Parts: sequence; C-alpha cells; structure tokens
Amino acid sequence: NAGVTQTPKFRILKIGQSMTLQCTQDMNHNYMYWYRQDPGMGLKLIYYSVGAGITDKGEVPNGYNVSRSTTEDFPLRLELAAPSQTSVYFCASSYSTRVGVFGNTIYFGEGSWLTVV
Amino acid sequence: GDSVTQMEGPVTLSEEAFLTINCTYTATGYPSLFWYVQYPGEGLQLLLKATKADDKGSNKGFEATYRKETTSFHLEKGSVQVSDSAVYFCALSGYGNKLVFGAGTILRVKS
Repeated sequence: NAGVTQTPKFRILKIGQSMTLQCTQDMNHNYMYWYRQDPGMGLKLIYYSVGAGITDKGEVPNGYNVSRSTTEDFPLRLELAAPSQTSVYFCASSYSTRVGVFGNTIYFGEGSWLTVV
Repeated sequence: GDSVTQMEGPVTLSEEAFLTINCTYTATGYPSLFWYVQYPGEGLQLLLKATKADDKGSNKGFEATYRKETTSFHLEKGSVQVSDSAVYFCALSGYGNKLVFGAGTILRVKS
C-alpha cells in the first residue's frame, strides 16, 4: 500500500540553491496537489494538476514550478531557495470523474521537511 | 474566497473528557467538509467527511455534522484518549476539488 510517496523526507538547502521534491502516487488518481504547511497557518495550496500535461497555480505559487508528464508523478521545483520557503511540503492526490464533484477524499504523503539557511 | 476558521489551541483535556473543536466556513456553493488529523511527525489522514447539509461524518468515535444554516462543522468526541493527541484540521473542498484548510487545532490529552 504505497499511496502517495514523497522524497526526500528531510533536506537543508542554502540560499540560492535549487532542488526538486519528488512525488509519485500509485492509485491512478487524476488530481495531484502540492501544499506547504507553516506553523499555525494550516496548509496552503502551491500548485495542482487535474491530469497529465495540465497544471495550475494555487494560493502561493511564487518561487515554485511543477510539471506533470505522467499520471503518477508530480515533482515540485524550488528555484533560488529563500528562507521564506522553509516549511513542510505535502504532496496529495485524489480522483474525480468530473468537475464540480467536491466530496472526493484527498490522500496525503508523509511530508518533506525543508530548511533554507 | 473560500475560508475555514477553527478554534485556536492548544486544547488540553484529561483522558475521558468530552471534546469539541469548533469549525466554521465561508464558501460559495455547496462545499464538502472534512476533518483531517496529523499525528506528530506524520502526514495528514482523513478522519471524517460530510458532503451535503445535515450529513454526519463519523470515525473512531469522532463525529461532526454539516450545518448549512450556521456554516459549521464542529468536531466532537465523547471520551478522548491519550492516543488522540494530535493536530486536527478542518477543511472544505469546493470547485476544482481543492482543499482549503483551517489553521489547525492542537489537542493534548493528559492521562
């Protein structure tokens, strides 16, 4: 039962470095998401995808990029890391057959702890 | 835009006490409502959900009722255990199946 798998789990970056957080799901879900969690702030949506080849911005997309070349994978790219990007990042996925169906359960990975120093 | 407001924590209770965590929402249309739980060092797990007004979601002794008239989805449990200590997030899902989260409420249960 792999579900949603994220790597790495922990990473320390220096200011200005770049890195990619990997995310893969084995549930054949069409929707995938990246959230970040800051203390006391809940989770904020960075980017999401409704299917391979389609991505869109969420609430806090600045400083990040994504791609969705396959159904399974949804990597998140951090360019020119900044201290404000220190956070816990969660990848998630869900399945929906049509827009407007709101009740589908969203499944989360275990999180990636990123520190930018 | 859509938003979720939940009571601030931390909430500290003794074992077997009654739990209520308040959650209210603002949304256009008719969202689905969720409670997620996050145990220390782990990701989020779905605790329960409700997809329409007056629905009651329940799981592991927790329950919440979708109240459209008061735009609320309060989480309750009759008797908490130490193992319930975690962070609880209320969330709604509207157009596009995107979850909007509240800030989270830390629950600490003492034996």
